Amino acid sequence: NAGVTQTPKFQVLKTGQSMTLQCAQDMNHEYMSWYRQDPGMGLRLIHYSVGAGITDQGEVPNGYNVSRSTTEDFPLRLLSAAPSQTSVYFCASSYLGGGATGELFFGEGSRLTVL
Amino acid sequence: GDSVTQMEGPVTLSEEAFLTINCTYTATGYPSLFWYVQYPGEGLQLLLKATKADDKGSNKGFEATYRKETTSFHLEKGSVQVSDSAVYFCALSGVTSGTYKYIFGTGTRLKVLA
Repeated sequence: NAGVTQTPKFQVLKTGQSMTLQCAQDMNHEYMSWYRQDPGMGLRLIHYSVGAGITDQGEVPNGYNVSRSTTEDFPLRLLSAAPSQTSVYFCASSYLGGGATGELFFGEGSRLTVL
Repeated sequence: GDSVTQMEGPVTLSEEAFLTINCTYTATGYPSLFWYVQYPGEGLQLLLKATKADDKGSNKGFEATYRKETTSFHLEKGSVQVSDSAVYFCALSGVTSGTYKYIFGTGTRLKVLA
């Protein structure tokens, strides 16, 4: 079972470059989300989606774009990378049952360094 | 707004010691509560959950009870092992005014010494 797959696992960028972190899930989950994890700050929600064509901002959306054209894929785009975006990024997905999210299934993470 | 507060770490224990990691929450409505665990170099994975007041979640010897009166969901284990060394996250989820939310605490690092 693939679950949630993130690519790449590691990436080094220069300030101002753009890139896309890919996320795919094979569990037919309606809910998908992106988090960043920084030391001492836990996980902070960047963007999320409750279905194809529907996205919304989380706690720290600035500098990031998302789209959800299919149920399976939820890419995260960095438009113009900044050193403050150096972090570990996690994609996570879940069923939307009973009006609330259930267990989140996480990818293995993508470590991004912006020089 | 909604939030989750968990005890600062790191927590260092000897093998077979009793573990408590405190977690309290602030939320409107009736959230579901979770504990997730993150081992080095990995993503988070669900440890246990509770969906309503007085529910007890349990897994791998860990337990937590959903206490609405004290807005708490403390994680406990009677006898920790070296393999329990990891970072533990408390989280809540729910829906408010049509907005889905999933909020994590800052995490508590546990180190168990042999």
